[in-house]
Amino acid sequence: NAGVTQTPKFQVLKTGQSMTLQCAQDMNHNSMYWYRQDPGMGLRLIYYSASEGTTDKGEVPNGYNVSRLNKREFSLRLESAAPSQTSVYFCASSEPRTSGGWETQYFGPGTRLLVL
Amino acid sequence: QQQVKQSPQSLIVQKGGISIINCAYENTAFDYFPWYQQFPGKGPALLIAIRPDVSEKKEGRFTISFNKSAKQFSLHIMDSQPGDSATYFCAASKGDYKLSFGAGTTVTVRA
Repeated sequence: NAGVTQTPKFQVLKTGQSMTLQCAQDMNHNSMYWYRQDPGMGLRLIYYSASEGTTDKGEVPNGYNVSRLNKREFSLRLESAAPSQTSVYFCASSEPRTSGGWETQYFGPGTRLLVL
Repeated sequence: QQQVKQSPQSLIVQKGGISIINCAYENTAFDYFPWYQQFPGKGPALLIAIRPDVSEKKEGRFTISFNKSAKQFSLHIMDSQPGDSATYFCAASKGDYKLSFGAGTTVTVRA
């Protein structure tokens, strides 16, 4: 049981280049998320998907697109990378909270992206 | 604008000491307050969580204290150990499973 996996681990891009960050989970979770982590900013939600076929914007969606390919996979695409998108990107998954219950988000190991 | 304000940014504690991290929020609709622990090079992992109908929750050496009237909650790490050295994030959500995270606190435990 690998949990949440992300590829690549590290990537260097030039301004204007495009790339797709891949994420997969094997916990049969319905909900998946993409966050970015920047020093002093915590984790900020870029996009999330409540279930297969649905996606919604988070706090910082500009410059990104997502695809929920199936229940397992949720990809994040940068169409034209900018230096401001230099960050560590985390994918997470969870089950919706049941009545009175907890909701735990499980995070992947992250992708470090440097845009020159 | 962050919906959850966390302090301090970093702290250093001696082995066996107590680490205290504080968070404050404004949105009274928040009803779930988790703490995540992150080791260098890893993703965050849920450490402990609390609902606002409880004033304190303890799991081993980790305790959350919750003050609903002050809209504040804190994490106490008792008998801090070098293995507790990590970055800690508080967070809050309001039933729609979108977590709002604090900025994080880097804890260093000196042996």
